[in-house]
Amino acid sequence: SYELTQSPSVSVAPGQTARITCGGDNIGSKSVHWYQQKPGQAPILVIFDDSDRPSGIPERFSGSNSGNPATLTISRVEAGDEADYYCQMWDKRVDHYIFGPGTKVTVL
Amino acid sequence: QVQLLESGGGVVQPGRSLRLSCAASGFTFDSYAMHWVRQAPGKGLEWVAVISDDGGHKNYGDSVMGRFTVSRDNSKSTLFLQMNSLRPADTAVYYCARGPGGTHFDNWGQGTLVTVSS
Repeated sequence: SYELTQSPSVSVAPGQTARITCGGDNIGSKSVHWYQQKPGQAPILVIFDDSDRPSGIPERFSGSNSGNPATLTISRVEAGDEADYYCQMWDKRVDHYIFGPGTKVTVL
Repeated sequence: QVQLLESGGGVVQPGRSLRLSCAASGFTFDSYAMHWVRQAPGKGLEWVAVISDDGGHKNYGDSVMGRFTVSRDNSKSTLFLQMNSLRPADTAVYYCARGPGGTHFDNWGQGTLVTVSS
């Protein structure tokens, strides 16, 4: 079955840029989506279809997927961005939805 | 605004059954596929099941195939998850989520906790 990989953790100072990566076999040919989850809360979609932002998500959140890995970039990081971030894709061969293991972003 | 409200969680013994519900509002329920996603304590997200907008197509994750059944009542804008033969490994917060376009999840409920323990 298809697997996604993510680094367990990323630390970043306020105002700097955080890059969260998501790896997988031939991931550049797939659509990748990203979710933010803060402790005790439900996940929130922050990027869909590699680089599109839902309404209400700040422009500081951007995504790219031009090859391995796909990347979620958070510019001008704020304390409120501290959360777990999950990448996700749809494996159309088996109609299953795959999540990466998650990356914990810590704002120093 | 889109609202998804799960209910039905609780403590259940191994081997028993439980039925979860998800009441939807703020959107045209029968125009969207719907999903269940779960999260074991301290763990990551795991997709559980999907049902198409008209209920004609369903699919399940490998760990619940044959034990869980997803269904929906479009007249009541409600999604269900029937969970049978529950195991301790099924202990998790269960979220319902809306699935536009068939590839991702754009709105999530707050979740309901299921604990399987003797």
